[in-house]
Amino acid sequence: NAGVTQTPKFQVLKTGQSMTLQCAQDMNHEYMSWYRQDPGMGLRLIHYSVGAGITDQGEVPNGYNVSRSTTEDFPLRLLSAAPSQTSVYFCASSGRGQRTEAFFGQGTRLTVV
Amino acid sequence: AQSVTQLDSHVSVSEGTPVLLRCNYSSSYSPSLFWYVQHPNKGLQLLLKYTSAATLVKGINGFEAEFKKSETSFHLTKPSAHMSDAAEYFCVVSDNFNKFYFGSGTKLNVKP
Repeated sequence: NAGVTQTPKFQVLKTGQSMTLQCAQDMNHEYMSWYRQDPGMGLRLIHYSVGAGITDQGEVPNGYNVSRSTTEDFPLRLLSAAPSQTSVYFCASSGRGQRTEAFFGQGTRLTVV
Repeated sequence: AQSVTQLDSHVSVSEGTPVLLRCNYSSSYSPSLFWYVQHPNKGLQLLLKYTSAATLVKGINGFEAEFKKSETSFHLTKPSAHMSDAAEYFCVVSDNFNKFYFGSGTKLNVKP
């Protein structure tokens, strides 16, 4: 029962470096999304996908790219890391239908120095 | 547009006393509402969700929430707090595209 798996759990980057946060789900969910969590701000939506090949921007998309080539995987790319991207990142998936809850990964704690 | 407002950023209760965490929502249509809990340095766990079958929703660990359309509220309650309830709680609303909108969170402190 893996659910939503995120890697890595921790990462330190230097300003300007790029990296990819990995997310995989094994529940055959159509919807996947990425959030960032900052103190006092809850979780904010970065990007989301309603199925393979379909992605769209959320509330805070700048500096991040996504693609979805398979149902299972939804990687998040930081193109040129900035200190403002220091945060905890969560990937989530959910099935079709209203009132369907989201299942979350364990999070990736990213620090940009 | 969907949004939620959690009215208290911190709530402190004594063990064994009731818990009330307040949430107001804004939604263009019949809302999909959830409460999630996050223990320190952990992921998010679903406590309960509003399914429209009943206005009083029961969740895990003795938590309940009541949906009040007239007040646009979905407050979370528990009759008797336990030390293990200390965590951050998020009220969440989703839209028709399964995008989830989080409140800013309420940190619950439980005193012995």
